[in-house]
Amino acid sequence: EAQVTQNPRYLITVTGKKLTVTCSQNMNHEYMSWYRQDPGLGLRQIYYSMNVEVTDKGDVPEGYKVSRKEKRNFPLILESPSPNQTSLYFCASTGQGPLTNTEAFFGQGTRLTVV
Amino acid sequence: QQQVKQSPQSLIVQKGGISIINCAYENTAFDYFPWYQQFPGKGPALLIAIRPDVSEKKEGRFTISFNKSAKQFSLHIMDSQPGDSATYFCAASKPGSNYQLIWGAGTKLIIKP
Repeated sequence: EAQVTQNPRYLITVTGKKLTVTCSQNMNHEYMSWYRQDPGLGLRQIYYSMNVEVTDKGDVPEGYKVSRKEKRNFPLILESPSPNQTSLYFCASTGQGPLTNTEAFFGQGTRLTVV
Repeated sequence: QQQVKQSPQSLIVQKGGISIINCAYENTAFDYFPWYQQFPGKGPALLIAIRPDVSEKKEGRFTISFNKSAKQFSLHIMDSQPGDSATYFCAASKPGSNYQLIWGAGTKLIIKP
């Protein structure tokens, strides 16, 4: 089954305490990305990766880091979280789908609260 | 030129009515236009998609209408049901973009019983 697994689902942390949200896909996709979703602002892309060791900034990269050491994993790192990073985060893996030639598969989301 | 503009931001429709969500784009290189559906607490999932060589695609109660000359495409939900209440995103991609999707801002649809 095509799957994108994100962990954790929920996270409450304090300002400045480094955290990592993991993302793993089992579809051998080259393209992976991270989004944050805030009320009224839709999906805003944070970072994306077109392949192993190839990452690039999306629309809202400030305060975030990513790495792509293996094809299946694409962790999101917040080195010094701040309250304005409180949001719902989604990892997505995009590639050949069963019905179309471009399909994005999303993880279940990580609801992050920074206090 | 990379943007996809989606409207309305929110929509309330009576059960049994037709829900219509619109998207417009500028980049004529886009050649693939999917719609995604997101239920609360879940990630978006592909609902239906169209390529510009056809003007309409229908899957059950969901139809995409595509107007190439106007650079617009829309999602129509016929006989809308409370279970259709969700956030809907349109998107677009172009050849050679390595599967990168450009997203609309989303529409929160509420179907009133």
